[in-house]
Amino acid sequence: AQSVAQPEDQVNVAEGNPLTVKCTYSVSGNPYLFWYVQYPNRGLQFLLKYITGDNLVKGSYGFEAEFNKSQTSFHLKKPSALVSDSALYFCAVRDMGSGYSTLTFGKGTMLLVSP
Amino acid sequence: DTGVSQDPRHKITKRGQNVTFRCDPISEHNRLYWYRQTLGQGPEFLTYFQNEAQLEKSRLLSDRFSAERPKGSFSTLEIQRTEQGDSAMYLCASSLTAENEKLFFGSGTQLSVL
Repeated sequence: AQSVAQPEDQVNVAEGNPLTVKCTYSVSGNPYLFWYVQYPNRGLQFLLKYITGDNLVKGSYGFEAEFNKSQTSFHLKKPSALVSDSALYFCAVRDMGSGYSTLTFGKGTMLLVSP
Repeated sequence: DTGVSQDPRHKITKRGQNVTFRCDPISEHNRLYWYRQTLGQGPEFLTYFQNEAQLEKSRLLSDRFSAERPKGSFSTLEIQRTEQGDSAMYLCASSLTAENEKLFFGSGTQLSVL
């Protein structure tokens, strides 16, 4: 089965500093990887995805993610954090069932950006 | 695009009661998913519809859980004889295609079973 792991429950960063939220994956075949963000009292929102091609994927709100096949990682990054980036971030992998596909999510990482 | 809407936002019930949640997906989306999210965990896939056909239901947590999408538009998730362990956030998502896997999520229904 496909799976992702987010090793950090929480990441703290000061506003203006770069941030990284870590994700590693375990898949059979080619990985289809995603990042979603969940703000309080809001539904999960799509940030970006890696299907194939360039290892650096750019997404919404200035976020990007780096796919590293040798390390089986897909870390989320942003050069300069904003207080408004504080939220719960989920890494996900496409999981193929018999005739359908869905997403399997990690447990999430809370990002706290301090002023 | 009015987004995915879920109703109610919160539901408090007593153990043993039945509950039903509704999800209205984005209108042109033919794929609809139900997930469950507990505190400190990521969303856990429950079931999936393509139009009105329920193509995957083996991941529903028990036979007390059932879902319908009778006309290929809105969907309902029912839990019969609720237990305290059913307390969680129930999320609905929809998408236009499977390959894209850009899911649009509703805000969820928070269930508390007393």
